[in-house]
Amino acid sequence: AQRVTQPEKLLSVFKGAPVELKCNYSYSGSPELFWYVQYSRQRLQLLLRHISRESIKGFTADLNKGETSFHLKKPFAQEEDSAMYYCALVNAGGTSYGKLTFGQGTILTVHP
Amino acid sequence: GAGVSQSPRYKVAKRGQDVALRCDPISGHVSLFWYQQALGQGPEFLTYFQNEAQLDKSGLPSDRFFAERPEGSVSTLKIQRTQQEDSAVYLCASSLYGFDTEAFFGQGTRLTVV
Repeated sequence: AQRVTQPEKLLSVFKGAPVELKCNYSYSGSPELFWYVQYSRQRLQLLLRHISRESIKGFTADLNKGETSFHLKKPFAQEEDSAMYYCALVNAGGTSYGKLTFGQGTILTVHP
Repeated sequence: GAGVSQSPRYKVAKRGQDVALRCDPISGHVSLFWYQQALGQGPEFLTYFQNEAQLDKSGLPSDRFFAERPEGSVSTLKIQRTQQEDSAVYLCASSLYGFDTEAFFGQGTRLTVV
C-alpha cells in the first residue's frame, strides 16, 4: 500500500532562516511526488511537483529514491510562507488517473 | 475562469439526516475526485469519475456514501443517515485527465454532524 509520512505536525522558524519540511513515502510502483500548500482561508493548491523540477516561491524539492524522500526546502523563509503544507504522491503509471495520497501535513509558521 | 466550486460551504446535520454536497468542476475537466479530510489529517481519497463514469469508489467508507456525476460535469456526494464520524471537510478536485495534469481543488464543504 502506498503511504506518505510527514513526521512534523508543526514547524516554526524565524524569517530569513532556512526551512526544510520532511516527507517520506512508500510505494512499490513508479510515483510522482507533489507538494501542496494551503494558506489561511484559501483552497489547497499545487506548490510544486517533482517532474517539473521547478523552483516555486523559492522552494525546491528533490526526489531521493534511495531514501524514498521528497523534502521541501527553502534557504530563506518569509512570513508569507506560513501555511499548511502537504506532501502527496500519485501513481505515475500509464493507466493512472491521478489519485492522490496525502501525508498528514505540516503547519509552517515563520516568525518575524 | 472560475475554479472548482463547492456548495454549501458549511453544513450542520443532525445525526441520521441525509445530506447532499455539490461540486462544480472546471469546465472541460474530464477527471473529478472527492476527498474527505478529517480534523488534523490530510485529505483521503473517496471516489473518482472520468466524465460520467465512476471508475473508482474504493475510498467510500460505507454504503451510506454515494456519488454521482450524471452528465459528466457537476457531481454530488450524498451521505445517508449521517453519523458523527462523518464530520469532516469534503474536498472536490478536477483535472484535465491523467496523473500528469494538475488537480484543482474547491474550497471544500465542512460537514458537522451533531
